[in-house]
This record gives sequence, structure tokens and C-alpha cells, in this order.
Amino acid sequence: AQTVTQSQPEMSVQEAETVTLSCTYDTSESDYYLFWYKQPPSRQMILVIRQEAYKQQNATENRFSVNFQKAAKSFSLKISDSQLGDAAMYFCACMEYGNKLVFGAGTILRVKS
Amino acid sequence: NAGVTQTPKFRVLKTGQSMTLLCAQDMNHEYMYWYRQDPGMGLRLIHYSVGEGTTAKGEVPDGYNVSRLKKQNFLLGLESAAPSQTSVYFCASSRNYRGGDNEQFFGPGTRLTVL
Repeated sequence: AQTVTQSQPEMSVQEAETVTLSCTYDTSESDYYLFWYKQPPSRQMILVIRQEAYKQQNATENRFSVNFQKAAKSFSLKISDSQLGDAAMYFCACMEYGNKLVFGAGTILRVKS
Repeated sequence: NAGVTQTPKFRVLKTGQSMTLLCAQDMNHEYMYWYRQDPGMGLRLIHYSVGEGTTAKGEVPDGYNVSRLKKQNFLLGLESAAPSQTSVYFCASSRNYRGGDNEQFFGPGTRLTVL
């Protein structure tokens, strides 16, 4: 079974600074997808960024980028120029066969003004 | 488009009572899912469906039943609620293939408390 580990229960960042959230995963599949989801206090799950395992290039979405290290099974999320609206719970997830997602426990991100 | 909607948003049950959570999606997605979210544990898959009339067990299926009689609806049932089922429940849907368009779209969640 797949497992996803987020070792940082909570992180803080100063507004306009950069923060990196860590994620490691374990899967026996050769073809898989990795995701970062954001959950603000509203509870809504919002897709932040997606990475296909067969692509070597790291995915980027505006201020959000990932550092995908396939051999190390590591998938970290970097948020640049942090904004107050980035404060949320962030979940790392791995998609296995059947389009099922396995989630990590989450990291609470606090943004200080 | 409303996307994925869930009914109800909040519910309080007594131990032993039954209830059904309704999920509806208007995106014509083949796949639908039910997750539960508990503090410190992220989201865990309860049951899922790969098409109308089909269902399958996820990681934590015990105590729950599901039905997918219509493509757009996915129902989650609790026959005899237990305090351990106190949680936030999320429904999600997605297309039926792996690829660049395999994003799961989530509903707003249902907070269920079992006393």
C-alpha cells in the first residue's frame, strides 16, 4: 500500500518570504501522480499543483513550485512571496491505480504579517 | 456549474441512529469517492465508484455502505452510527482516466458528530 508522510505538523513564514513544505511517499507503481492540496479554514479542498512521475521537469504554478526527487521519493512544495491568503492546511497526496488518492497527515502553514 | 455538492453540511446523531449523506456532481465524471478527515490523519478513502452501478471498498470501509444508482449521485450510509464515526466527510469526483486531467474535485464537506 502507498504511504505519504508529511513530517512537519506546523510551519510559519513571514509575509513575502519563501517557505518549503516537505513530503515523502512510498509506492510500488512506476507510473503515478503527486499532488499538493490546500485546505483553508473554509474546509474546501483546493488543488495547488500536480506532478506526473514520468516527467523530470518540476511543476510550477505561479508562486508555487515543487522539488520532485523521484529516486528519493520526495515531493516538496515551495511557496514564494508568501501571502496572508496562503495560510491553510496543506496536504500532499499520491494517486495510485484506480485514481485513488492517498493523503499525508497535513502541514499547517501560518503566515505572519 | 455547481461542481460537487454535499447534503447536509452538518449533522448530529445519537449512537445507533442511521443516516445517509448525499453527494451530487454536475461535471459528468465517471469516478466518485467518499473520504473522511480526522485530526492528524489527513483524508482517508472510505468507498469509491468507477461508474454507475459499481462500488468498491477503500482504506476504511467498515461501518459504511454506499450506492451509485445514478451517475451524478453517490450516497454514503451509516446504518448504526458510532462515536468513532465522528468526522468530516468529503465527497469527490474525477474523470475516468489517468492523465493530465485526473484532478479530483471535492465537495464542501459534511461535519458529522455522533454522541
